[in-house]
Amino acid sequence: AQSVTQLGSHVSVSEGALVLLRCNYSSSVPPYLFWYVQYPNQGLQLLLKYTTGATLVKGINGFEAEFKKSETSFHLTKPSAHMSDAAEYFCAVINTGGFKTIFGAGTRLFVKA
Amino acid sequence: NAGVTQTPKFQVLKTGQSMTLQCAQDMNHNSMYWYRQDPGMGLRLIYYSASEGTTDKGEVPNGYNVSRLNKREFSLRLESAAPSQTSVYFCASSPGGAGSSYNSPLHFGNGTRLTVT
Repeated sequence: AQSVTQLGSHVSVSEGALVLLRCNYSSSVPPYLFWYVQYPNQGLQLLLKYTTGATLVKGINGFEAEFKKSETSFHLTKPSAHMSDAAEYFCAVINTGGFKTIFGAGTRLFVKA
Repeated sequence: NAGVTQTPKFQVLKTGQSMTLQCAQDMNHNSMYWYRQDPGMGLRLIYYSASEGTTDKGEVPNGYNVSRLNKREFSLRLESAAPSQTSVYFCASSPGGAGSSYNSPLHFGNGTRLTVT
């Protein structure tokens, strides 16, 4: 069964610093991978997705993620954090042959002024 | 466009009471989903519907039932609420589904905050 592990339930960075949120997946076949963001009292919104092709994926709000098959990782980065990036971020994978999206436990990002 | 609409936004129930959470999408999506979100556990799938007329269990279906009323609407029913069902419930939809690609992202509603006392 496919699964997703997000390392670190909380990450704190200073405004302007690099953001790195870690995600590892387990899958016996090439997965479809996603990052979603959740702002307070809202539903989740898609940040970016990897399906096939280029392994470096660019998303909204300056975020990007790199699919590394050898490391089974899909870490999310942003070169310079902004206060508005404070939110909870979820890594997710779609299970092979089905329609179920499986989520990691989430990482809450805090941005300090 | 409204996207995915969930009602109600908030609900407080007593143990043993029943209620139905409503969800509707206006994007002509094939698949619809119900998740629950609990602190530190991410989102867990309760039930899903890959196409109109079909429903399947997810990770945590016990204590819930669903109805895919038509292509737009997918409701979640708690027959006898328990404190363990206190959670935030999210409905989502996706253009993927039976007979279609399954690598489509989810579109979420804003959630229903349910407290069972």
